[in-house]
Amino acid sequence: QVQLVQSGAEAKKPGASVKVSCKASGDTFSNYAMHWVRQAPGQRLEWMGWINADNDNTKYPQKFQGRVTITRDTSASTVYMELSGLRSEDTAVYYCATDSSGYYWSGFFDLWGRGTLVSVSS
Amino acid sequence: DIQMTQSPSTLSASVGDRVTITCRASQSISTWLAWYQQKPGKAPKFLIYKASNLDSGVPSRFSGSGSGTEFTLTISSLQPDDFATYYCQQYNSYSLTFGGGTKVEIK
Repeated sequence: QVQLVQSGAEAKKPGASVKVSCKASGDTFSNYAMHWVRQAPGQRLEWMGWINADNDNTKYPQKFQGRVTITRDTSASTVYMELSGLRSEDTAVYYCATDSSGYYWSGFFDLWGRGTLVSVSS
Repeated sequence: DIQMTQSPSTLSASVGDRVTITCRASQSISTWLAWYQQKPGKAPKFLIYKASNLDSGVPSRFSGSGSGTEFTLTISSLQPDDFATYYCQQYNSYSLTFGGGTKVEIK
């Protein structure tokens, strides 16, 4: 059974970048399209972007265009989400989640990682 | 972006109660709607897709309905494990958005 294992908590200064990883274990990773979703304290879930399973096609919401980059390393069975220009409002738990289509885009999420807390403070 | 609005924001109920949560979209999303359950400090858990289709393993006391702009999640007989926050999410467009959540708490 596939599990998504995310990297540990990060503490960053404003203006810095953070790169969070999400490693799939238990199945053939290269078959999974992946999303990133974040949740600031007491706030609703917020979609940050998607990468497909094979040719590294990505989609980002306008809010994060130019600030978020999602990549994958198939040999390491890992997907990465890098957020630049950090500000205090980016303090949140960041989740990776598989797209239920497996390979491409359905638009909803069937398996979630446990989350990575990113704290931004001077 | 399509705005998703849930009501109520908090719901107090007892074990065995029938519970209904409403989710409204700012424009028609057909039936491109999913529901998730989240417990404190945990990742969301996928429950329902395409407005009314239960994910495998989800108890049959959960049901979803609706189309267009108005949707509901119903728990027919609330169980102790169901006290959590529930989120709807639209996937009609390539900019995915969530509702603000409904916390189901013990009365």
